[in-house]
Amino acid sequence: GAVVSQHPSWVICKSGTSVKIECRSLDFQATTMFWYRQFPKQSLMLMATSNEGSKATYEQGVEKDKFLINHASLTLSTLTVTSAHPEDSSFYICSAGDRGPDSPLHFGNGTRLTVT
Amino acid sequence: DAKTTQPNSMESNEEEPVHLPCNHSTISGTDYIHWYRQLPSQGPEYVIHGLTSNVNNRMASLAIAEDRKSSTLILHRATLRDAAVYYCILRDLWEYGNKLVFGAGTILRVKS
Repeated sequence: GAVVSQHPSWVICKSGTSVKIECRSLDFQATTMFWYRQFPKQSLMLMATSNEGSKATYEQGVEKDKFLINHASLTLSTLTVTSAHPEDSSFYICSAGDRGPDSPLHFGNGTRLTVT
Repeated sequence: DAKTTQPNSMESNEEEPVHLPCNHSTISGTDYIHWYRQLPSQGPEYVIHGLTSNVNNRMASLAIAEDRKSSTLILHRATLRDAAVYYCILRDLWEYGNKLVFGAGTILRVKS
């Protein structure tokens, strides 16, 4: 079945540094990928929609200069958390679909980011 | 986005069926009903989805009310591995990007 791979699964970084998270669709092409953030004991919050070959669409309240999204190919989207601060510590999850909108989305296993 | 309402939590005994309800009174004709579940420290996992007719797959069954304003996810025999947060989400066929917006979900606890 369709698989979405996310890397790294966890990362610890110092405050002020940048962290890049990769999301790959392993056996299908994804023109659209989605990035979510999840704080402990809360639901997933959609951050942005990543579009292959064009700019990402950010949800209201999400800083586009803080969370840089690049979707350079049909199988890879990256999320870069720039100048990370402790409040950016969270569980980041990507997802993608391999068919039309009436089909399931597949999710990566998430990246646990801890900013010290 | 059309909203869904789910109970905060439910409890089930192992090996018994579980019926997880979801209300979506403002559903539109182009909204698909999707169910996902999330185990601790993992990304969500697709369970099932449907539009109007009831659906069955190897994981679960989805019963959709005739007016489509509610649906029920049915796990036929709950196991300890089914303990997770279950999300009922409406996905608009025609909305740009076809994004999935998660609500609070239902925490399912399974007792042995």
